[in-house]
Amino acid sequence: GQNIDQPTEMTATEGAIVQINCTYQTSGFNGLFWYQQHAGEAPTFLSYNVLDGLEEKGRFSSFLSRSKGYSYLLLKELQMKDSASYLCAVMDSNYQLIWGAGTKLIIKP
Amino acid sequence: GAVVSQHPSWVICKSGTSVKIECRSLDFQATTMFWYRQFPKQSLMLMATSNEGSKATYEQGVEKDKFLINHASLTLSTLTVTSAHPEDSSFYICSARAGTGEVSYGYTFGSGTRLTVV
Repeated sequence: GQNIDQPTEMTATEGAIVQINCTYQTSGFNGLFWYQQHAGEAPTFLSYNVLDGLEEKGRFSSFLSRSKGYSYLLLKELQMKDSASYLCAVMDSNYQLIWGAGTKLIIKP
Repeated sequence: GAVVSQHPSWVICKSGTSVKIECRSLDFQATTMFWYRQFPKQSLMLMATSNEGSKATYEQGVEKDKFLINHASLTLSTLTVTSAHPEDSSFYICSARAGTGEVSYGYTFGSGTRLTVV
């Protein structure tokens, strides 16, 4: 079956760095997405990885290792507004998105 | 960037009535539209996939006669919840992909509709 695993909840301090991990097992792979979702709102696109390595975009970076079925989202210089759920999603061989359950990130002052 | 407009943002309806939710792609042609449902503290659950001009494909366990999807044009898809019941109360979100080539653009989401059935 297809499976996406990510931690349910994480807590970090304002100004610090946090890494949210995601492991996956899917039928085929056409890329991995990270989305941010604030409570009561729709998800917003953060990043897309299809090749191994690190993609940096401002305070957010995303890493992918296809051989290990592993990705992480790295958030630097955390701000209170970064408190949200972070969703990992993999596009399978049919170009369908398989969603993880999301990681709720709590930022404390 | 690509924008999907979804409305209404929230709706309260009486049990047994029907509710229509609309999603419009404003600056691109949405050949494929995805409809999701999200219960509190849970991840997105794909309900159905619709392609313009053809019947929607429903996920297992989703009643196609209860959740009617119409994708009559490249810019508009609608989801109608028929004979709504309190257990249908949820956050409904649409998502669009312009075509098969723009994978790296990700999926553009509508703003979501909070449905409460009383």
